Amino acid sequence: AQKITQTQPGMFVQEKEAVTLDCTYDTSDPSYGLFWYKQPSSGEMIFLIYQGSYDQQNATEGRYSLNFQKARKSANLVISASQLGDSAMYFCAMREGSSNTGKLIFGQGTTLQVKP
Amino acid sequence: DGGITQSPKYLFRKEGQNVTLSCEQNLNHDAMYWYRQDPGQGLRLIYYSQIVNDFQKGDIAEGYSVSREKKESFPLTVTSAQKNPTAFYLCASSAGTGGAVGNGYTFGSGTRLTVV
Repeated sequence: AQKITQTQPGMFVQEKEAVTLDCTYDTSDPSYGLFWYKQPSSGEMIFLIYQGSYDQQNATEGRYSLNFQKARKSANLVISASQLGDSAMYFCAMREGSSNTGKLIFGQGTTLQVKP
Repeated sequence: DGGITQSPKYLFRKEGQNVTLSCEQNLNHDAMYWYRQDPGQGLRLIYYSQIVNDFQKGDIAEGYSVSREKKESFPLTVTSAQKNPTAFYLCASSAGTGGAVGNGYTFGSGTRLTVV
């Protein structure tokens, strides 16, 4: 069954350093999309980055990059040069191409705290 | 600007009361979703709708009801049968429900429901 696993409930990082948030997934569908969302304490969910299963290159969006290792079924989010405003909960999610519902499957989230 | 509007931002419910959470989108998205989030936890799917006048139960539908009379609107009613309704509720929409794996969610800003 499709599943997303985020094994780090909480992470700390020093301001200006890079941090990697782990995400592994499980699917038998060859076509799928992987998403990362950020949820600050205010609660809204902010889309960060997307990676398609057939994309040849790892996705990047500003300070965010996705370390996509297809054979290992991992899609780790890398945040470079951490800022205090990066303190939030981060969710990894997956959408399968064979799904006719469009549902995203979410992981349990990782809470990131950036220390000054 | 297109987006999803959830209201109210905060809602207080007395024991035994039904309350309705509003979710409206002007993105012309076909699919809409309701999630529940408990403190420090991930998202759990309550109901979703892929088309007007049709909706399906998610993983935790008991004690909740929805309607989809218009494409733009997907209200969620928390009934008195829901014994532990205190939570953060997020509404989301997505452009398509087919094999387009790149279609992620656009989220509303959420409603915090508290039983008093």
